[in-house]
Amino acid sequence: SQQGEEDPQALSIQEGENATMNCSYKTSINNLQWYRQNSGRGLVHLILIRSNEREKHSGRLRVTLDTSKKSSSLLITASRAADTASYFCATDNRNEKLTFGTGTRLTIIP
Amino acid sequence: GAVVSQHPSRVICKSGTSVKIECRSLDFQATTMFWYRQFPKKSLMLMATSNEGSKATYEQGVEKDKFLINHASLTLSTLTVTSAHPEDSSFYICSARRFDRSPETQYFGPGTRLLVL
Repeated sequence: SQQGEEDPQALSIQEGENATMNCSYKTSINNLQWYRQNSGRGLVHLILIRSNEREKHSGRLRVTLDTSKKSSSLLITASRAADTASYFCATDNRNEKLTFGTGTRLTIIP
Repeated sequence: GAVVSQHPSRVICKSGTSVKIECRSLDFQATTMFWYRQFPKKSLMLMATSNEGSKATYEQGVEKDKFLINHASLTLSTLTVTSAHPEDSSFYICSARRFDRSPETQYFGPGTRLLVL
C-alpha cells in the first residue's frame, strides 16, 4: 500500500521552540493518528483525529486535519530535549490497518 | 494504557536458521495483532495481520511460507522467520488493538532487532 509523505524528513530546533511536522496522504480516511518512536524502540500513540474533526489538542500537542487537501500537521509547543524522536503519521481507512508515513526525525537542541 | 511485549529484543543468527519472535499483550486480550518490518531510518511496513484462531492475512509481496505467523491465544502471536538470510535482517515490531477501550489505536511492542549473518 502507498504511504503518506511527511515533511520535513528531519528537523532540528532549539529547546523551547515550537516544532511543526506535516503529513500528506492519498486515500480517504476514517481517522489519522500520530505516533512517536524513540531510537530503536516501539511506537507510542500520541493523538488521533477523526475525519470529521479539524483540530485537536493534547497537552503540548496540536493536530490539524484538512481532508480536502489530504494533509495533517502536528505542532509540538515549547519543545523539550525529551521530545527528540521520530514522529510518524498513520492513516486508518476503515480496514483496520494503519498506513504509516515516512516519518520526521526531530532533534531538540538543549 | 496497554502493554505489549516482544521477545527477544535482539537476536543474531546464522544464515539458514529459523528465528521465532513472540508478541504478547500483557494486560488485555488481543484478537488482532499486526506485524511490521522497519528498515533503518525508514517507515513501518505492514507484513501481516494476525487473527486469533485463524490464518494470518499477509500483505502483497510478503511470503507467507517465509514468515510464519501463529496466533494461538488471545495474548500471544508469534512470527517465525524461516531459513533466514542476511536480507531478512531488520527491526520487527508487533502491535495489538484493544477493542474493549480504544479499538482504533494500536499498542506497539518494543521491537525485535534481527541480524542474520
